Amino acid sequence: GEDVEQSLFLSVREGDSSVINCTYTDSSSTYLYWYKQEPGAGLQLLTYIFSNMDMKQDQRLTVLLNKKDKHLSLRIADTQTGDSAIYFCAEGAYSSASKIIFGSGTRLSIRP
Amino acid sequence: DSGVTQTPKHLITATGQRVTLRCSPRSGDLSVYWYQQSLDQGLQFLIHYYNGEERAKGNILERFSAQQFPDLHSELNLSSLELGDSALYFCASSLESSDYEQYFGPGTRLTVT
Repeated sequence: GEDVEQSLFLSVREGDSSVINCTYTDSSSTYLYWYKQEPGAGLQLLTYIFSNMDMKQDQRLTVLLNKKDKHLSLRIADTQTGDSAIYFCAEGAYSSASKIIFGSGTRLSIRP
Repeated sequence: DSGVTQTPKHLITATGQRVTLRCSPRSGDLSVYWYQQSLDQGLQFLIHYYNGEERAKGNILERFSAQQFPDLHSELNLSSLELGDSALYFCASSLESSDYEQYFGPGTRLTVT
């Protein structure tokens, strides 16, 4: 069945780059997302990538997609304390865009 | 602020009770989605409504039901509540039925005691 997996924790030094990794199983996935959840808040759509793309860059965020290995990553350049949050990887298919499958989330903590 | 509003923010109730959670989508959005976020199950899709009609169902229990009204707001009804129903319930909205960009509300935290 469909499954999205992420590591649970990541700790990086302020100013360094953070790389959050994700693997998914559904080869029919059309869209792959990164959502951010800050404490006590809802999910914020950070960025998404279509499955026919390899890379997408948006300011400090870079998304890389390896469709062959079903591997997605989110790189945050110059990580700041405000980036502390849980980051969710998710997949969706055009045929059932309403049903987004989320990973368990990676908690990113920033150390000084 | 995503533009999606949910009420109430917190809800504490007892087992066996029934509650209603409310969601107002972003202005102009026709689709509403409900999700449950719990510690053991993670974030799970429950149900999707588009312009008043049910479009897709996920892992929604029979004790739960939802509807979308003509003004496009949606309600999620949870009945015969159990301790395991304690979770964060999120609503999201999008413009169209197949729109891949879903915008989430702040959630309703339900605690069943």
